[in-house]
Amino acid sequence: DGGITQSPKYLFRKEGQNVTLSCEQNLNHDAMYWYRQDPGQGLRLIYYSQIVNDFQKGDIAEGYSVSREKKESFPLTVTSAQKNPTAFYLCASSYGNYNEQFFGPGTRLTVL
Amino acid sequence: GENVEQHPSTLSVQEGDSAVIKCTYSDSASNYFPWYKQELGKRPQLIIDIRSNVGEKKDQRIAVTLNKTAKHFSLHITETQPEDSAVYFCAASSNGGSQGNLIFGKGTKLSVKP
Repeated sequence: DGGITQSPKYLFRKEGQNVTLSCEQNLNHDAMYWYRQDPGQGLRLIYYSQIVNDFQKGDIAEGYSVSREKKESFPLTVTSAQKNPTAFYLCASSYGNYNEQFFGPGTRLTVL
Repeated sequence: GENVEQHPSTLSVQEGDSAVIKCTYSDSASNYFPWYKQELGKRPQLIIDIRSNVGEKKDQRIAVTLNKTAKHFSLHITETQPEDSAVYFCAASSNGGSQGNLIFGKGTKLSVKP
């Protein structure tokens, strides 16, 4: 299961605090993605990046921010503006578009 | 934009029976259709995918069929085993502003009873 990692596995934060989720890949993939998974909702795209120093909003970007300073790294910040941040967050990467996406193990965020 | 509908949301079968999960998509320009399996507490993993230039693809007990005219595709699992129990997601590529990004269905929870 190597290649794409996320940390931490579990994260607890108080309401109103920003929190950053880590995603690292050593697959030399250009494209990286962040998804949110809620029960019964499938995978919803938050942000994606097709190349270093460039990223685009997905379907549910409000209350989130990202950066892509290195090809290997695509951290996600959940800000206090996100109204319902408790969820399972999955990072993925791929050789560009229209190709298999490889997923990380996920981070379960709980906001108390 | 692309919209993917997946049915059923839950499916229970006896070991050895076949299971079929169906998805429909809205964008006729979509050209890549993967299926992911997610076991409880684990990451989604690709089990099979198909591109729009073929109508069917098989890999041992798993097959996917694509009907471009009707805009639907299906996952077929034969001779099901308890280890097939998981949530299965279909997806279709988006061809709008987010070229090539995947739009996922809401998932099907498959239970295989021994």
